[in-house]
Amino acid sequence: AQSVTQLDSQVPVFEEAPVELRCNYSSSVSVYLFWYVQYPNQGLQLLLKYLSGSTLVKGINGFEAEFNKSQTSFHLRKPSVHISDTAEYFCAVKENSGGSNYKLTFGKGTLLTVNP
Amino acid sequence: NAGVMQNPRHLVRRRGQEARLRCSPMKGHSHVYWYRQLPEEGLKFMVYLQKENIIDESGMPKERFSAEFPKEGPSILRIQQVVRGDSAAYFCASSPTLNTGELFFGEGSRLTVL
Repeated sequence: AQSVTQLDSQVPVFEEAPVELRCNYSSSVSVYLFWYVQYPNQGLQLLLKYLSGSTLVKGINGFEAEFNKSQTSFHLRKPSVHISDTAEYFCAVKENSGGSNYKLTFGKGTLLTVNP
Repeated sequence: NAGVMQNPRHLVRRRGQEARLRCSPMKGHSHVYWYRQLPEEGLKFMVYLQKENIIDESGMPKERFSAEFPKEGPSILRIQQVVRGDSAAYFCASSPTLNTGELFFGEGSRLTVL
């Protein structure tokens, strides 16, 4: 079984500041990793994903994340945030093989609030 | 190409009534997943279906909840005799295959039980 821990439930920042949202996971098998964003009263939209290859993954809206296998982390970063980035961000993990490779396990989410 | 369509977006039921939530996957997607989101919680897996088959319902409560994905028409998540604890946002997602990794989510159905 796998699990995902998002260490910060809320992250307030000022506009144009850098931000890092932390995510750690545990799994007994190799995994795929994802970050999703949820704007108020909307569904989840994929920001970026790590399947294989380069450990630095670039996504939409200027976000990027780095897969660190030794630290079992997949932290999300953006060098300069905008008011429009205010949303809830979910880290998720999925086995990349085996019988349960369809099941996404989500963290509890981090609410990013960007203030002017 | 339309995304994953869920309806209704909002549903209010009294305790003991039935709730039916519908999900039409993206065109060409044959894999459907239902997740539940409770306040201040992440999404929890409920059930995974392919056309006419339930593949994994391990995340679904054993009683009162059922899901189907018929050969024709949308997938339906049915909750019988709703209780206040069923109040949540229910999200449907779809994927074209198992191995792409990404799930495409609908905007959710928000159930409120009075």
